[in-house]
Amino acid sequence: GESVGLHLPTLSVQEGDNSIINCAYSNSASDYFIWYKQESGKGPQFIIDIRSNMDKRQGQRVTVLLNKTVKHLSLQIAATQPGDSAVYFCAENRRALTFGSGTRLQVQP
Amino acid sequence: DVKVTQSSRYLVKRTGEKVFLECVQDMDHENMFWYRQDPGLGLRLIYFSYDVKMKEKGDIPEGYSVSREKKERFSLILESASTNQTSMYLCASSLIGQPQHFGDGTRLSIL
Repeated sequence: GESVGLHLPTLSVQEGDNSIINCAYSNSASDYFIWYKQESGKGPQFIIDIRSNMDKRQGQRVTVLLNKTVKHLSLQIAATQPGDSAVYFCAENRRALTFGSGTRLQVQP
Repeated sequence: DVKVTQSSRYLVKRTGEKVFLECVQDMDHENMFWYRQDPGLGLRLIYFSYDVKMKEKGDIPEGYSVSREKKERFSLILESASTNQTSMYLCASSLIGQPQHFGDGTRLSIL
């Protein structure tokens, strides 16, 4: 069936380094993607979104890249900080959200 | 800021009980959603509503119902709670075509 998934369950980076979290999707008709951050004990928090008419979108310290050819998107976090430690989800937005399984980002001091 | 408020952070109920989970949003969003989140299974859509008194089944509606009598409030009802409904329940709301905003969840335990 159609799905959205993430490549790695866990990613460990050093404080100050850049982080890259990857996500693949299977439906070539998908046209709207959202990245969420979920900290322990909290609900998912919106980070950034991108529509299929764009290849790249930037926010504060975050960049999302969308490669429609290979059905892949990535979230890049610049100068990763301890407060970035969380589980990150990519989600495809159609009638509702279809979530990937999540990548846990661990920031080492 | 968008505020989605779920009435309880933690709830413990017994099998067979009728359970109500309440969600309120303060941004006049048309759409509201209920998900459950389980380890290894991610977030799964139970029901959603795109207008008052309107509802649509999600991917796992069995054993649940919903009510949306007012635009700002969306209730999830477990008709007869069972142990396999022990989970984290997340409510979200959005404008049409815009990102969903989530509450902090209700951790429900069915004994």
